[in-house]
Amino acid sequence: DTAVSQTPKYLVTQMGNDKSIKCEQNLGHDTMYWYKQDSKKFLKIMFSYNNKELIINETVPNRFSPKSPDKAHLNLHINSLELGDSAVYFCASSQDWGTGYGNTIYFGEGSWLTVV
Amino acid sequence: SQKIEQNSEALNIQEGKTATLTCNYTNYSPAYLQWYRQDPGRGPVFLLLIRENEKEKRKERLKVTFDTTLKQSLFHITASQPADSATYLCALVFTGGGNKLTFGTGTQLKVEL
Repeated sequence: DTAVSQTPKYLVTQMGNDKSIKCEQNLGHDTMYWYKQDSKKFLKIMFSYNNKELIINETVPNRFSPKSPDKAHLNLHINSLELGDSAVYFCASSQDWGTGYGNTIYFGEGSWLTVV
Repeated sequence: SQKIEQNSEALNIQEGKTATLTCNYTNYSPAYLQWYRQDPGRGPVFLLLIRENEKEKRKERLKVTFDTTLKQSLFHITASQPADSATYLCALVFTGGGNKLTFGTGTQLKVEL
């Protein structure tokens, strides 16, 4: 049973298109995240939702819009794709937002987005 | 802003030796630090967590130390095996940051026969 699953795994699309990546977790976690890993392997947080409420929105172009229909799902929609959006996007989840004791983050396998 | 540095150069060691990876951070003090392993084409996988008031944590062949004075964490793999070859990421949560992890750039470890 996959804990955090995201689809599609690979996505090749043209500049200007709109695309979505879907994510689901079956761990019963309250908090979900989107991370972006660039070509230099640097992993950076984009968004975080806790109980369907947006709690982190890093400096991300507003072409990126997360949507959390329920606690188990966090989708990422990207409008007007640009070449620089090419990266690996990881969905992740954790038990909750954190009480200061530290929460393990469980990552999905990643979605490889290539914009041509 | 917080800055987390890991050795950008790959670390090559011989099987059976101890691998030591370094994670240095600047500015604010972290509430806790985590180490993750990432294999090619896969998502990061959690390995160990150490809190600011802990000096050392162990799990099987893994050991993490945390020196808040030096602003440094060391990650050790003893009796390394080729299967330990991967990229290792350190990640910090800074006080008041909830569960927002800030990742280092990772160090690639290659264990050779």
